[in-house]
Amino acid sequence: DQQVKQNSPSLSVQEGRISILNCDYTNSMFDYFLWYKKYPAEGPTFLISISSIKDKNEDGRFTVFLNKSAKHLSLHIVPSQPGDSAVYFCAASNFGNEKLTFGTGTRLTIIP
Amino acid sequence: NAGVTQTPKFQVLKTGQSMTLQCAQDMNHEYMSWYRQDPGMGLRLIHYSVGAGITDQGEVPNGYNVSRSTTEDFPLRLLSAAPSQTSVYFCASSSGTSGGWGSGTQYFGPGTRLLVL
Repeated sequence: DQQVKQNSPSLSVQEGRISILNCDYTNSMFDYFLWYKKYPAEGPTFLISISSIKDKNEDGRFTVFLNKSAKHLSLHIVPSQPGDSAVYFCAASNFGNEKLTFGTGTRLTIIP
Repeated sequence: NAGVTQTPKFQVLKTGQSMTLQCAQDMNHEYMSWYRQDPGMGLRLIHYSVGAGITDQGEVPNGYNVSRSTTEDFPLRLLSAAPSQTSVYFCASSSGTSGGWGSGTQYFGPGTRLLVL
């Protein structure tokens, strides 16, 4: 039972354009969501997060949108750069609970 | 700060052998966890700890043991390795059970790649 789903295993985007990565969840108890970025042979690194009291959070080129009614979140990267090529994992947890449930990841390739 | 460190980086085992994957953090984090990453499966939680002396099972605990005798260290033991345990293992830590929206931000080690023949 996959509670956090990333239905696109891969995505290719031209450099300078917008990258949109999507994530769906089924557990309505989740109220805190995170995106992690992973390069080959390295551990995941935290990118950006959002709590359920917000519907948008921005950090530089990265914006996360949350649609609670649809149980859907997305990560927008604008403009996309070659260094953004990596695997992106969506993760979810409950308020005050350290346990994270991860999606299966989306491999983003930025084409120069 | 070294952050989260893991040893070894790579290990080959024969079926039935046992070994311990080491994990240490120097950030005084209360919460530590072990994940395995398999193709198409994302990161799955094996075991976690909310503080020294306290551990609990995650999503895929079978075949693994943990203990937490200090805040810094959280070793993962494979009791009798099986080919199904071939994976990449990540240890992570976070500042812990104070609650709040930031408590889920975990810092990961570089991983241990394990091959069981």
